[in-house]
Amino acid sequence: AQSVSQHNHHVILSEAASLELGCNYSYGGTVNLFWYVQYPGQHLQLLLKYFSGDPLVKGIKGFEAEFIKSKFSFNLRKPSVQWSDTAEYFCAVTGGGATNKLIFGTGTLLAVQP
Amino acid sequence: GAGVSQSPSNKVTEKGKDVELRCDPISGHTALYWYRQSLGQGLEFLIYFQGNSAPDKSGLPSDRFSAERTGGSVSTLTIQRTQQEDSAVYLCASSLDGRGNSPLHFGNGTRLTVT
Repeated sequence: AQSVSQHNHHVILSEAASLELGCNYSYGGTVNLFWYVQYPGQHLQLLLKYFSGDPLVKGIKGFEAEFIKSKFSFNLRKPSVQWSDTAEYFCAVTGGGATNKLIFGTGTLLAVQP
Repeated sequence: GAGVSQSPSNKVTEKGKDVELRCDPISGHTALYWYRQSLGQGLEFLIYFQGNSAPDKSGLPSDRFSAERTGGSVSTLTIQRTQQEDSAVYLCASSLDGRGNSPLHFGNGTRLTVT
């Protein structure tokens, strides 16, 4: 069965610091990879996605993620965080199976201090 | 345009009572998903609908949980004889066609508290 691991449960950064959130998945076949973000009081929304092609994908608000197939990883990065990036970040994967259900990691709570 | 709508936004119920949670997906989206979000547990898949059929019910925790979808649109998640461990935020999402590369669009969720 597929699984997704997010190694950092709670991250605290100061504004302008660089961010990298780890994500590893277990499925060995073709995968579709996503990062979703949940800002305080808001619904989950898509940050970025990878299906195929260039393994470095760029999303909204200056976020990017790199798919490294050999490491089964899809880490999220941002060179310089802002206070408004305070949110919970979820890595997710679909792949294989008949229903392509999205499997989520447990999330990383990011707090950016001004 | 209108997003995924869920109602009620909050529900407090006594242990042993039944509850119904409603989801209105984005118009034209054929796929609909229910997830449960508990503190420290991330998002747990419950059930997936394609049209009115549910090809994947593998995430429903017990036979107290059931869901239906009618008219290829509205879905209802029913929890019978609620228990305290059912307390969570129940999220509904829809996607255009249920393919693996179709992003999910989430509603705001229903926060269920069982006392």
